[in-house]
Amino acid sequence: ETGVTQSPTHLIKTRGQQVTLRCSSQSGHNTVSWYQQALGQGPQFIFQYYREEENGRGNFPPRFSGLQFPNYSSELNVNALELDDSALYLCASSESTGTGEKLFFGSGTQLSVL
Amino acid sequence: GQSLEQPSEVTAVEGAIVQINCTYQTSGFYGLSWYQQHDGGAPTFLSYNALDGLEETGRFSSFLSRSDSYGYLLLQELQMKDSASYFCAVPSGAGSYQLTFGKGTKLSVIP
Repeated sequence: ETGVTQSPTHLIKTRGQQVTLRCSSQSGHNTVSWYQQALGQGPQFIFQYYREEENGRGNFPPRFSGLQFPNYSSELNVNALELDDSALYLCASSESTGTGEKLFFGSGTQLSVL
Repeated sequence: GQSLEQPSEVTAVEGAIVQINCTYQTSGFYGLSWYQQHDGGAPTFLSYNALDGLEETGRFSSFLSRSDSYGYLLLQELQMKDSASYFCAVPSGAGSYQLTFGKGTKLSVIP
């Protein structure tokens, strides 16, 4: 059983650019969530995908978008990057039949916007 | 809305017991989870309480009091490797993976 993997591990972009982050879910998991974690803060929910459809979104602007593919891997896209987008982006997978209590997180992508 | 409060930092001695508290305010309650995160690492699930009482998993235990909107994580026989940040979290709805996290408690274990 493989865990949640994310790529790249680190990324540096400049303000106004676009970025795509990738995530491979844990084997057997069909739900993926994305979280943003600023330094010294807890993860903040961005959105969730189940069977390739977005089925939950946090308080993030539309320039944050995502995709889930038939193999349950996922992408997070951020357009028009802002300095405040600098953070650790975490992907988490879970089984849809769960009770919402347990997420399996990847180690994240550290994004720096200059 | 939902909000969670937990202490920002705790220091404890190796071999001792430490308790990390979490109080929450939610529009509906669907359980309280705890996650551990080492510096530069992924958050890792520790425990989940849906009902009042104590849940024990090895050296870690978690307690919930729904009437007090309060829970805690208890770590026994502290080891140096327990130095990490600990987060409490609540889901937005039944069966939801949309979690609201506290700001985390940084635990430092000293010799």
